[in-house]
This record gives sequence, C-alpha cells and structure tokens, in this order.
Amino acid sequence: DTGVSQNPRHKITKRGQNVTFRCDPISEHNRLYWYRQTLGQGPEFLTYFQNEAQLEKSRLLSDRFSAERPKGSFSTLEIQRTEQGDSAMYLCASSLDRDTPAGEKLFFGSGTQLSVL
Amino acid sequence: GEDVEQSLFLSVREGDSSVINCTYTDSSSTYLYWYKQEPGAGLQLLTYIFSNMDMKQDQRLTVLLNKKDKHLSLRIADTQTGDSAIYFCAEKGGGSYIPTFGRGTSLIVHP
Repeated sequence: DTGVSQNPRHKITKRGQNVTFRCDPISEHNRLYWYRQTLGQGPEFLTYFQNEAQLEKSRLLSDRFSAERPKGSFSTLEIQRTEQGDSAMYLCASSLDRDTPAGEKLFFGSGTQLSVL
Repeated sequence: GEDVEQSLFLSVREGDSSVINCTYTDSSSTYLYWYKQEPGAGLQLLTYIFSNMDMKQDQRLTVLLNKKDKHLSLRIADTQTGDSAIYFCAEKGGGSYIPTFGRGTSLIVHP
C-alpha cells in the first residue's frame, strides 16, 4: 500500500500526558501537512513541511505542539501536557513538490483520533 | 482570513442528482477542491478545478465554478447510497501551498 499511513489510529490519554503521532507520507511526496479536525468541523491547518523544512505554522499550533520531519520522510507531531480541548482527529496529508496540477493534489491518511480524558 | 462556506446538510433520494454548494472569499484562489470523507476515515480527493476553468466533468461528478461570484458546486448524478458521506470544499490561494477547508456538507441518500 503506497498511501499515507498514520499511527496510531486511536490514542486515549489522561490530561497532562504527552502524546506523539507518526505520519508516513507517500514515498515520492516532498510536501507534508498536518491538520486537526473536530466533530462537525472541516480540517484546520496546523503546519506544513517541504522536505525537512517546516515552512509554515498556524497560530493554532501552541507552544505545546511540536512537529518534526527530520529526514524529509516521516513526520511526528507531539503534544505536551495534553488538555481536553486537544481531543480531535489529527490528519496528515502529503503531495508532490511540483508547481503542476499533480502537485496540487493532497492525499490524506486515515488520521489519529485523540481522546484526552 | 480566507473563508469557505458550505451548507451543513443535504438529503436526496437515491437515483436523483445532488448539488452541493460552496462559496469562498479569497479572490486569488487558484485551485478549488472537493473531498469526500466517510465515517472514521481520512479525506479522499474527488476532483479539483483550476480557477481559469468554469466546468469540469468526471463520470458522475460535475464541478461548476463561478469565479465572479466565488461560487463552486459539485453535482453528483444518479446519487447512490454509497455516496452518503461528508463533502468538503477547499480552496488554495495563489502563492500558498495550504488548502483551506469548509465545514463540510453531510449528504444523506435515502431509498
């Protein structure tokens, strides 16, 4: 399967704990995105990587959130000191790094559902 | 900031056509997208249209773009129960790599 892979699919944690999610993009895709989706809402942008460089971050990304893509392949999103308001689906997407129509298609993973108790 | 607005629900009878509407505010939008999300799953790209086009057809899907009114629609012909899902409109402005999504329209197809 060459789609975007996210792990874990579900994570339940207690408030105050740290959690880390992983995203493996499609292998030839240089662009990687993290979005957050809460019930009844559309995906909200969190951060964007081109290769290993984190080029854009949303103001939604508080200082408790950090994302990395150390070798330009997989990415991790860590949330420190989780709060109940962090409960959401965290979606990862990837796309080609080309200024052509092919590079405009984002492919999404199935997401990691986080529940903070 | 940029906004993308969609109606929240649409109910249609199986076999009828569905039309899902979307409006956006960013006049520099270059690409507009329709994604489908089934329960518990990620988003699946259905189709997209470049801003210099006004229509795109792909099998049962027809996308219409009115750039002057910043209005995008997705028509699904011969809607089936398997089309029941949430449909998201998204736009990407010129010079940005980041699509902005609407809240989604929940399509319910009943027999």
